Amino acid sequence: DTEVTQTPKHLVMGMTNKKSLKCEQHMGHRAMYWYKQKAKKPPELMFVYSYEKLSINESVPSRFSPECPNSSLLNLHLHALQPEDSALYLCASSPRDRNYEQYFGPGTRLTVT
Amino acid sequence: AQKVTQAQTEISVVEKEDVTLDCVYETRDTTYYLFWYKQPPSGELVFLIRRNSFDEQNEISGRYSWNFQKSTSSFNFTITASQVVDSAVYFCALSEDISNFGNEKLTFGTGTRLTIIP
Repeated sequence: DTEVTQTPKHLVMGMTNKKSLKCEQHMGHRAMYWYKQKAKKPPELMFVYSYEKLSINESVPSRFSPECPNSSLLNLHLHALQPEDSALYLCASSPRDRNYEQYFGPGTRLTVT
Repeated sequence: AQKVTQAQTEISVVEKEDVTLDCVYETRDTTYYLFWYKQPPSGELVFLIRRNSFDEQNEISGRYSWNFQKSTSSFNFTITASQVVDSAVYFCALSEDISNFGNEKLTFGTGTRLTIIP
């Protein structure tokens, strides 16, 4: 089962709101990723977690706060976002010790008003 | 720095035609991995293939085939007898090991939007 799930599918939030995106995988993968994708652009890496530890932060503004409560779950906490943060947020996971392909979830389409 | 170029921004073909999507990459690494992903309108990126730099054998999977040529730094993707369900954006990507944990950062090309006309 190569499935990564993400909730919610759509999210509309104001600039003063606090919300969270959730990602889950049950493939035993040890690396999990957050990407941001703007329309007609490729995905841009935001964060990488390996064995539940943050290993890569691609200079993402602090209004985005990732969290990895356990090896199956990945959250992205959002606070004081700007309208330009509106995008598709994709979660992915990959096996640590085998192939390195990343499996993506369906994404959360975020609109900041 | 690594770079992936997908020069074809948009391609339209009539159903049942064959179509080739081009991918050219740049890297200084001797060991690297190349990928193709499909992104249908629903938004989810679907993994299609992973190829390492030491394996130059072409691969065929049903109607899909991939031609890896290290000499020209290309990793092209051909769909034979295209179908409407093949309509999507296709991304070529190159991996870069950027941490001690073996995590890889994917450098994506800008994507090719493929439309199959019924």
